[in-house]
Amino acid sequence: ILNVEQSPQSLHVQEGDSTNFTCSFPSSNFYALHWYRWETAKSPEALFVMTLNGDEKKKGRISATLNTKEGYSYLYIKGSQPEDSATYLCASHRGGAQKLVFGQGTRLTINP
Amino acid sequence: DGGITQSPKYLFRKEGQNVTLSCEQNLNHDAMYWYRQDPGQGLRLIYYSQIVNDFQKGDIAEGYSVSREKKESFPLTVTSAQKNPTAFYLCASGWGEQFFGPGTRLTVL
Repeated sequence: ILNVEQSPQSLHVQEGDSTNFTCSFPSSNFYALHWYRWETAKSPEALFVMTLNGDEKKKGRISATLNTKEGYSYLYIKGSQPEDSATYLCASHRGGAQKLVFGQGTRLTINP
Repeated sequence: DGGITQSPKYLFRKEGQNVTLSCEQNLNHDAMYWYRQDPGQGLRLIYYSQIVNDFQKGDIAEGYSVSREKKESFPLTVTSAQKNPTAFYLCASGWGEQFFGPGTRLTVL
């Protein structure tokens, strides 16, 4: 089974500080890497889909990078706000486009 | 308003009973999925369906069954054979990028 690992499992950050966390995945047969944000009592929401080595994507204060050769992706949040509190999931494909394997998530809490 | 709906939000079941979780989508997606989440673990794939009248087992299919008679609907039955059914269940649809429903929390009493 393809293993996708995320670290840390949980993170507490002061409002206004910047933070980042990691997703690692097997680099062989790479297809795409997904980042999702999952707020409490809501559905997971797609943030980024990344396919190319060296890719960098940005959405407001959140950005992500991808290294397919070494099998990792970083998610960065600049100037954290309380609304950034959520669990951030990454997922990589296994055996084609239809099946995703998820990491266990990084639970981010922003302290006001 | 396009999306995925799951019902009910909370479900309680007595041991030995089967229970069916509903998942409906109006996104016109062929592919649909069922995941289970347990504390401290990632989402684990139970079953998926790539097209109507076809479905495949995921990583933890034992004790579960599904059907896909309509494109819009992919119900999951948790049978009495599932040894530890208390969990949060998420339904998703889409090819590549997946779109998720709000989930059903199942508790076995």
